[in-house]
Amino acid sequence: AQSVSQHNHHVILSEAASLELGCNYSYGGTVNLFWYVQYPGQHLQLLLKYFSGDPLVKGIKGFEAEFIKSKFSFNLRKPSVQWSDTAEYFCAVIYNAGNMLTFGGGTRLMVKP
Amino acid sequence: ETGVTQSPTHLIKTRGQQVTLRCSSQSGHNTVSWYQQALGQGPQFIFQYYREEENGRGNFPPRFSGLQFPNYSSELNVNALELDDSALYLCASSWTKGGEQYFGPGTRLTVT
Repeated sequence: AQSVSQHNHHVILSEAASLELGCNYSYGGTVNLFWYVQYPGQHLQLLLKYFSGDPLVKGIKGFEAEFIKSKFSFNLRKPSVQWSDTAEYFCAVIYNAGNMLTFGGGTRLMVKP
Repeated sequence: ETGVTQSPTHLIKTRGQQVTLRCSSQSGHNTVSWYQQALGQGPQFIFQYYREEENGRGNFPPRFSGLQFPNYSSELNVNALELDDSALYLCASSWTKGGEQYFGPGTRLTVT
């Protein structure tokens, strides 16, 4: 079955630390890749997406992600986190030009001021 | 531009009852998808509607059903509620069937 794994369930960082959240997907042909963020009390928001082209994708709020096809990975990065980045982050995949998002289990990030 | 809206915000139902959740898609979007998010988990795909037709379904029983209306708004109906149906139900809309999806705030359903 097609699946998405996020290795870190909880991450705690101090402000200005660098962030990398892991995301791996199972083999399933072509993929469209997404990172969503859910700030406390708010709805899921799209951070960035990869459909094709440059495997290094830049999103909103200084986030970026790199698609490494050989590793089936799409890790999220930010060079310097802020307290306002405290949220839950979800990696999601659409396989084979389908229509359903398959989500990972999410990573809760807490940034200490 | 109005985003995706959902109603109601919260709902409490008793086991065995039926519930209807509503979603208004973002302006210009013709596709609506529904997801169930249990506590501490990622959302799981229930089904998608494209131009009023069901366009794919996840691993959910037939007591989960839906509708899409000509204005592209949508309903999710759940019959014979079970305790495990307690979850956040999310609606997402998109311009096309496989495009990026924009989520609403969700409806929190509690089944007692």
